[in-house]
Amino acid sequence: EVQLVDSGGGLVQPGGSLRLSCAASGFTFSTNWMTWVRQTPGKGLEFVANINQDGSDKNYEDSVKGRFTISRDNAKNSLYLQMNSLGVEDTAVYYCARDHITGCFVDWGQGTLVTVSP
Amino acid sequence: EIVMTQSPATLSVSPGERATLSCRASQSISSNLAWYQQKPGQAPRLLIYGASTRNTGIPARFSGSGSGTEFTLTISSLQSEDFAVYYCQQYNNWRTFGQGTKVEIK
Repeated sequence: EVQLVDSGGGLVQPGGSLRLSCAASGFTFSTNWMTWVRQTPGKGLEFVANINQDGSDKNYEDSVKGRFTISRDNAKNSLYLQMNSLGVEDTAVYYCARDHITGCFVDWGQGTLVTVSP
Repeated sequence: EIVMTQSPATLSVSPGERATLSCRASQSISSNLAWYQQKPGQAPRLLIYGASTRNTGIPARFSGSGSGTEFTLTISSLQSEDFAVYYCQQYNNWRTFGQGTKVEIK
């Protein structure tokens, strides 16, 4: 059974940093693109960043470029999202997701809440 | 950016009835469209990809159709567990989601 477990969320002040983690099991992690998606009541579901199988190709949504860094450790079956210079607009539930071969998202973590507030 | 527009925002349906949800893309996305179901407090669940292919384990009452810019998700006979929010998502050019359609009990 595929399992993705998101962690690392919490309350942080504007300008602060957080590192999210996603522990994967039940599939061959190193053969899949992986993605971070976030969800807010106002903007809905939003692609944040994705990374290819060996970490050599990364893509970011424009508003997080230069502030967020996606990475992975295939030896640990783990995905990460380093988030710096956080703003209130980054408040959201963050999900890691396993990419389907077509490009949609076939499996999702349970989500971790990031709250950016003074 | 490709904008995905879903309608209606809310759909009130009685159990056993058919539900038809629409999704429109701001430009052609071929058949690169997925549908997800989300229940309160849960992550989205992939229902349909390639506009019309059901994901593993998804009941046959869920069907998708369309190509280009106009897409439809049909739930043939609503069960109690189907009341949820449904999102479409394009993956033809990056990844963007619609704002969702809430299917509620009439």
